[in-house]
Amino acid sequence: SQQGEEDPQALSIQEGENATMNCSYKTSINNLQWYRQNSGRGLVHLILIRSNEREKHSGRLRVTLDTSKKSSSLLITASRAADTASYFCATDGGAKTSYDKVIFGPGTSLSVIP
Amino acid sequence: EAQVTQNPRYLITVTGKKLTVTCSQNMNHEYMSWYRQDPGLGLRQIYYSMNVEVTDKGDVPEGYKVSRKEKRNFPLILESPSPNQTSLYFCASSLRPLYNEQFFGPGTRLTVL
Repeated sequence: SQQGEEDPQALSIQEGENATMNCSYKTSINNLQWYRQNSGRGLVHLILIRSNEREKHSGRLRVTLDTSKKSSSLLITASRAADTASYFCATDGGAKTSYDKVIFGPGTSLSVIP
Repeated sequence: EAQVTQNPRYLITVTGKKLTVTCSQNMNHEYMSWYRQDPGLGLRQIYYSMNVEVTDKGDVPEGYKVSRKEKRNFPLILESPSPNQTSLYFCASSLRPLYNEQFFGPGTRLTVL
């Protein structure tokens, strides 16, 4: 079952521009997280947003959560070549499946061109 | 250093030959999980464990077994590997999933011929 789904699948931007990635999910959740993966390596946690939060910031990252639309967005401001990576959202399985399950979306591949 | 380790990192095997991928964490985390990653599909959860002797199926458990006899270790067992299990596998641990960040291992690239 696919809970989180990101769009776009791939994004290419110039260094200094902002990058926005979106994640949609199907059932009510407790929390949503965003992770980053450099090519073929383990994922690294970026930010967690709880279901009662609407927006969260961490450095150049801004995450929003709209529980009515079951969607979240990740904004990276002033992108750098080092931000080139794949970005994934992760949610719990929700009440229907299990809050202990973790479901990742297919990811957005971001390329930042110097 | 807080970390999740996996071994082996690379493995090429043949259909039907039993194998085990080990996973160990040194952070005293209750929650551990195995994922497989395939192109275009993101990460899919295979099994997870809330604590010692407590395991549960993820989205793609078929063909895999796990055990959690100690808090720090969570091995993934493929009793009879098949080519469709060729994938990149990640182990992860956390205090509580989705309430706390998951720490990921470096991955195991498995090829089943």
